[in-house]
Amino acid sequence: DAGITQSPRHKVTETGTPVTLRCHQTENHRYMYWYRQDPGHGLRLIHYSYGVKDTDKGEVSDGYSVSRSKTEDFLLTLESATSSQTSVYFCAISTNAGGQETQYFGPGTRLLVL
Amino acid sequence: AQSVTQLDSQVPVFEEAPVELRCNYSSSVSVYLFWYVQYPNQGLQLLLKYLSGSTLVESINGFEAEFNKSQTSFHLRKPSVHISDTAEYFCAVSEIGGSQGNLIFGKGTKLSVKP
Repeated sequence: DAGITQSPRHKVTETGTPVTLRCHQTENHRYMYWYRQDPGHGLRLIHYSYGVKDTDKGEVSDGYSVSRSKTEDFLLTLESATSSQTSVYFCAISTNAGGQETQYFGPGTRLLVL
Repeated sequence: AQSVTQLDSQVPVFEEAPVELRCNYSSSVSVYLFWYVQYPNQGLQLLLKYLSGSTLVESINGFEAEFNKSQTSFHLRKPSVHISDTAEYFCAVSEIGGSQGNLIFGKGTKLSVKP
């Protein structure tokens, strides 16, 4: 499972509150990703990181920020949660062996914004 | 820009029947191709991938996919499905030499295997 854990696994929060999701990896991979999964949309990239303090935006980054202060942790923050951010959030890492990108996913976090 | 189309959102099939889940992609450059499987209430698991070499790739549980460059397709097949294959299957593509944030997913196909 590539040593990826996500916390919390489930969260219910109210509109307007800040929320932080954590992704932790044990294998020192350089690349980490945050996706959201919604019915009928598949997975969409929110943000990704290519090293400590190095991040970039994905397809659906509005309303989200990320931080990576250590190789093993990649945090996703919803500064002020909205109901449209109710989703399942997946973290992934890329083994990127020889430049060939293969991504492996964590177990997911179910977020409900009321 | 690259894109992935999974032509069927749901595929019902009886146990032991063959199945094909279709995937077409659009890209102006060469690509890597992937199939992921998601069992109910779980994360995505890599099922198989095409990076280079033989255009026919196989998984350990009997699935296979064939890269067809001329038709820009990467259809997933299994000659005889089991109840345990019930899951959602996602096709994904990334451009060779592209940025690390460019793994694009299709919208998924739900395979339902009935007894």
